[in-house]
Amino acid sequence: EAGVAQSPRYKIIEKRQSVAFWCNPISGHATLYWYQQILGQGPKLLIQFQNNGVVDDSQLPKDRFSAERLKGVDSTLKIQPAKLEDSAVYLCASSLQMNTEAFFGQGTRLTVV
Amino acid sequence: AQSVTQPDIHITVSEGASLELRCNYSYGATPYLFWYVQSPGQGLQLLLKYFSGDTLVQGIKGFEAEFKRSQSSFNLRKPSVHWSDAAEYFCAVVLSGGYNKLIFGAGTRLAVHP
Repeated sequence: EAGVAQSPRYKIIEKRQSVAFWCNPISGHATLYWYQQILGQGPKLLIQFQNNGVVDDSQLPKDRFSAERLKGVDSTLKIQPAKLEDSAVYLCASSLQMNTEAFFGQGTRLTVV
Repeated sequence: AQSVTQPDIHITVSEGASLELRCNYSYGATPYLFWYVQSPGQGLQLLLKYFSGDTLVQGIKGFEAEFKRSQSSFNLRKPSVHWSDAAEYFCAVVLSGGYNKLIFGAGTRLAVHP
């Protein structure tokens, strides 16, 4: 069974530029999560989808971050414009349903300079 | 507010020694509980989970965890640590009952001395 795929693995951008991350969840998984993990901290939930609907986005900085999950499968997370404090690893995860275990991708390490 | 607390930021043990990593949650009902491990540069791997039933759960790599409702705890244990267990360990909780959010503690970094 293929795992959660994320791309790119690494990205370096200048502040005020935009960036997008892509996630392909495990086939058949209804729930998709995006987390931000700053160095030395635990993952912080940015947004959670159930199929193509948003369950929670309370910690998503909506003035600069956006996410979509078209057709309830792949998802993209965008930052525009980026700030220095956005430097982090962005993790995508998926689960069969909301109350089952989540499986994580390798993450995208973003460095904003 | 609902939360997950891992009181120990960093723990060092000798290879072969026993290990216990602490996790406490703040939540009214019984949540779904997980432990994940993260090696450097890697994503998170599920070690074990608790949904209901037997409060002592077995996981991969020789780990186990015990759910104690009275203490709102879900501590991770291993009888004999191997050098390859050095990693960061995260406790996670699904807050159900209308929330269904998967939230993580701050993590405990484990170092293993030979």
